[in-house]
Amino acid sequence: TQLLEQSPQFLSIQEGENLTVYCNSSSVFSSLQWYRQEPGEGPVLLVTVVTGGEVKKLKRLTFQFGDARKDSSLHITAAQPGDTGLYLCAVYNAGNMLTFGGGTRLMVKP
Amino acid sequence: SQTIHQWPATLVQPVGSPLSLECTVEGTSNPNLYWYRQAAGRGLQLLFYSVGIGQISSEVPQNLSASRPQDRQFILSSKKLLLSDSGFYLCACHSGSYRNEQFFGPGTRLTVL
Repeated sequence: TQLLEQSPQFLSIQEGENLTVYCNSSSVFSSLQWYRQEPGEGPVLLVTVVTGGEVKKLKRLTFQFGDARKDSSLHITAAQPGDTGLYLCAVYNAGNMLTFGGGTRLMVKP
Repeated sequence: SQTIHQWPATLVQPVGSPLSLECTVEGTSNPNLYWYRQAAGRGLQLLFYSVGIGQISSEVPQNLSASRPQDRQFILSSKKLLLSDSGFYLCACHSGSYRNEQFFGPGTRLTVL
C-alpha cells in the first residue's frame, strides 16, 4: 500500500472542462506538496500546503489541504491543453526525503 | 536558484553492460542530492540520497549504486544492468529555501534491451 494514493490515475478531458484530482492517505502530514511534470522533464513544484483546511490558488488551479491534513485536492477550472501533464502529490519524511504518490496523468484535448 | 544537469539524456544499453549516469548541480553548495527512478507515467521512487561528499544512503535494495565524489556531483552506477533497470532516472537537489522545494534535473531515459 502506498503512503499517498492519487486518483484518478488517468484523466482525459476536453478544453474548457473543470476537473478535480485527489491525493489521499491515512497518515497525518505537516505539509503536502503538488508537482507537475511534463513528458521528458523533471517535476516542478506548484504549491505547498501547510495548514489544515488551507486553500491556495495559482491562476486556474485551486489546491486544498484537508482539515485533518491527511488528504489534498487539486481543482483545475477551464482546463487548457497546456495543463496536460502528470500531477504528483508528495510529502516529506525525515531527512528532507520526498515520498511521491503514483500521480494523475491529465490530458486536455483542444 | 539551482540548476541541475544530467547526462546522457537517453541511453540504450544491453543487459549485463555497465552504467554510469552523471548529475551535476550549479548555484548552491553542500546540497542534499537525490536519485529517483520513474516507471512510465507513474510516481517517483527514491533510490539514493546524499547529504555530503562520500555520504550515500540507499532506500531500496537493488542492482544500482551511487557515489558523490564532489560536493555538486552525484553519480548513479551499475556493474551489470538488468531489464528491470529500464526507466526514467531523475536527479534532484533540495533547495534549502523557505519553499522547501526539490529541484529536478531533466532526467535520463534508460532502456535496457
